[in-house]
Amino acid sequence: GQNIDQPTEMTATEGAIVQINCTYQTSGFNGLFWYQQHAGEAPTFLSYNVLDGLEEKGRFSSFLSRSKGYSYLLLKELQMKDSASYLCAVRDRNNNDMRFGAGTRLTVKP
Amino acid sequence: DTAVSQTPKYLVTQMGNDKSIKCEQNLGHDTMYWYKQDSKKFLKIMFSYNNKELIINETVPNRFSPKSPDKAHLNLHINSLELGDSAVYFCASSQYLDTGELFFGEGSRLTVL
Repeated sequence: GQNIDQPTEMTATEGAIVQINCTYQTSGFNGLFWYQQHAGEAPTFLSYNVLDGLEEKGRFSSFLSRSKGYSYLLLKELQMKDSASYLCAVRDRNNNDMRFGAGTRLTVKP
Repeated sequence: DTAVSQTPKYLVTQMGNDKSIKCEQNLGHDTMYWYKQDSKKFLKIMFSYNNKELIINETVPNRFSPKSPDKAHLNLHINSLELGDSAVYFCASSQYLDTGELFFGEGSRLTVL
């Protein structure tokens, strides 16, 4: 099975940097994904890590350590529109599905 | 053109009724999914289809039955609806079974009265 843990809520200030952590346990790791979900909308893909290290994509970066079962999503230069839920998800090669954590609701304040 | 589309977007119905939600993807992807997102916003996988073949069937009640007439469509039929079935149901697709990100439809909010 898979356990995916991330904080329930975070608050940050516009223009600041925020790091959202995710820890996971899986027997057949095959990639870690981050999705953004605004209230009332569908999740949208943000980033993907399958090897250890940092992947940078504009204001968003994601880090992975497979040995520690740990990832984080880093959001820089926060904007009000970044207020959303951020979902950590893991692919498992044993059953080929993608399972999600409960999500971290980020509130960006002026 | 919408990549993954599902209908209806909203569905309000009485307990005991039977309803269907349709999903279509025009991305040419091999794999399609149904996820349920409950009131606590937890997104849980229900079914996964790869090239019309059922791959994952989580422990959902057998009142839920997925049907895939072709690779681009995965419909969800629900019999004898219960109050606890109220949720947002998301259809998604990925290019392959074991790789790639998911592309989600807009969701179908089901309310059972």
